[in-house]
Amino acid sequence: DQQVKQNSPSLSVQEGRISILNCDYTNSMFDYFLWYKKYPAEGPTFLISISSIKDKNEDGRFTVFLNKSAKHLSLHIVPSQPGDSAVYFCAASAMETGNQFYFGTGTSLTVIP
Amino acid sequence: DAGITQSPRHKVTETGTPVTLRCHQTENHRYMYWYRQDPGHGLRLIHYSYGVKDTDKGEVSDGYSVSRSKTEDFLLTLESATSSQTSVYFCAISAEGPSVASYNEQFFGPGTRLTVL
Repeated sequence: DQQVKQNSPSLSVQEGRISILNCDYTNSMFDYFLWYKKYPAEGPTFLISISSIKDKNEDGRFTVFLNKSAKHLSLHIVPSQPGDSAVYFCAASAMETGNQFYFGTGTSLTVIP
Repeated sequence: DAGITQSPRHKVTETGTPVTLRCHQTENHRYMYWYRQDPGHGLRLIHYSYGVKDTDKGEVSDGYSVSRSKTEDFLLTLESATSSQTSVYFCAISAEGPSVASYNEQFFGPGTRLTVL
């Protein structure tokens, strides 16, 4: 039972344009959300996070939006760069699940030069 | 980069054989985790540890055991490997687990690719 879903396995974007990666979740108790970036043959690296008390968090070119009523979050990358080409995972956690993060299946982003 | 190493990085083994994967950290972080990554499933938590000799099960713990005798080492053991355990295994660490005040992101190792024939 996948509690965190990324319904787009892949996304291609032109360099300089905006990349929007989406993530949906089913557990209304989730109160902390993260995005990880993963290059081939490497472990995931933390990108950005957001607490459920916020609806937006920004870090440079990366912005995460949270819509709690829709149980949806998105990651915006502006402007997209070829080095952003990677697999992006969203993850969620809740106090009741302790230390367990639930990850989505990932979206492979390709930024075309 | 967080000091996390995993060994071996690649392993091919046969069904029914025992396998142990090692995660070593130099950050002195309290929490350590083992995940597996499979197509169509993302990353799923196998087991985690919140201190020496303190471990708990994750989402997909069946067929796996763990041990943590030192802060820096977290071992994942497949007692009798099966083909369904062919996967990429990631170790992760975090300074603390979630608390009322804040969460802590997890830092991942480079992964171990395990193939069970």
